[in-house]
Amino acid sequence: EVVLTQSPATLSLSPGDRATLSCRASQSVSTYLAWYQLKPGQAPRLLIYDASNRATGIPARFSGSGSGPDFTLTISSLEPEDFAVYYCQQRSNRPPTWTFGQGTKVEIK
Amino acid sequence: QVQLVQSGTEVKKPGASVRVSCKASEYTFNNYYIHWVRQAPGQGLEWMGIIDPSGGGTSYAQKFQGRVTMTRDTSTTTVYMELSSLRSDDTAVYYCARDRRAKVQGPDAFDVWGHGTVVTVSS
Repeated sequence: EVVLTQSPATLSLSPGDRATLSCRASQSVSTYLAWYQLKPGQAPRLLIYDASNRATGIPARFSGSGSGPDFTLTISSLEPEDFAVYYCQQRSNRPPTWTFGQGTKVEIK
Repeated sequence: QVQLVQSGTEVKKPGASVRVSCKASEYTFNNYYIHWVRQAPGQGLEWMGIIDPSGGGTSYAQKFQGRVTMTRDTSTTTVYMELSSLRSDDTAVYYCARDRRAKVQGPDAFDVWGHGTVVTVSS
């Protein structure tokens, strides 16, 4: 089973700062890597799929990069609404299963 | 717009079962897989399983094998997730989510989510 390790656990930044979030897979994985944003009381929101493609309606300040085992989510300039918890997610093929990382909280410094 | 509407809050006793529904609208129900994901208090997201709404085929996370059953009703475009032998650590928000890609392309990421159903297990 693939384990996704996200770092850091918490990122303390100010609006306007650049945020760099990491996700490392325990074994070589495909580029079926997605990133989600989760805020209290809301459903998760898909940000990035296939490692580097922005989902519909996602602002350009969000970008994804990397290939197995290391992936990165970058927020180029934090807006107040970006303070949230971010999860990476990976799909395995045989059998089809999905795994989430443990999350990175981006908090206001 | 594409929407998944889930059933309401549930409170159950240990050992009981719970069934959560997820009604899909404004897209072709049979063409997209549905996943179930949960988040326990203070914990991260956890994938539970996937259902093919057209044929009813399922695949469950190993952790839930034997305790979870996912079904669908094509006449009402609704999928269901039933979890049995509930324990206190099953207390969580349960989400249904639609796969981003049409079935013929293979499952991928989850682009439309229900609002979540709170399930509390307590004696």
